[in-house]
Amino acid sequence: QITLKESGPMVVKPTQTLTLTCTFSGFSLTTSAVGVAWIRQPPGKALEWLALIYWDDDKRYTPSLRDRLTITKDTSKNQVVLVMTNVDPVDTATYFCAHRRVDGNDAFDMWGQGTLVTVSS
Amino acid sequence: DIQMTHSPSSLSAFVGDRVTITCRASQNILTYLNWYHQKSGKAPQLLIYTASNLQSGVPSRFSGSGSGTDFTLTISSLQPEDSGTYYCQQAYSTHPYTFGLGTKVEIK
Repeated sequence: QITLKESGPMVVKPTQTLTLTCTFSGFSLTTSAVGVAWIRQPPGKALEWLALIYWDDDKRYTPSLRDRLTITKDTSKNQVVLVMTNVDPVDTATYFCAHRRVDGNDAFDMWGQGTLVTVSS
Repeated sequence: DIQMTHSPSSLSAFVGDRVTITCRASQNILTYLNWYHQKSGKAPQLLIYTASNLQSGVPSRFSGSGSGTDFTLTISSLQPEDSGTYYCQQAYSTHPYTFGLGTKVEIK
């Protein structure tokens, strides 16, 4: 059974750095084709894919935020970390991590519950 | 980036109605199209992957079809628990993956 859970600060000040952690179970990020993504959703708005890390440490980012995002993994802890620098109030959102299907059908089949991050001074 | 457009943006229907939601891609995405359902305050749930494949555990009243630029999600008999917002997502161009703005479904 795959589970994921996001953790991190509830409030961050503008210009600060946001660090979010996804702790997962039920799969390993050392297994071929496995990936974990971060996706966010501003209040009342649509979903926005941010980043994805693969089992082989390949990393992909949404172009519009590439300069501000870093995704890493710690396979010993079963965690994926997303760092976002220089946050702004527009970054206020619920941040989800999600497991990418490993059977060649590219979709996010399991999601964490999400964590709401508010950027405010 | 590939743009995904939902139609309609919202709808209201009775329990038992057949409901159809469409999603249009700004370019050909073959069948690399997924559908998610999100209830208020919850995480999205994968319903359909690769245009027409039902995710394990999802009721059979949900079905998907389409290819190229035009896709459809159908709920054959709407149930009270089906309220919420439905999102399509393209996986043809994966960097970035893109979602539509969603279709909000309400029960009359």
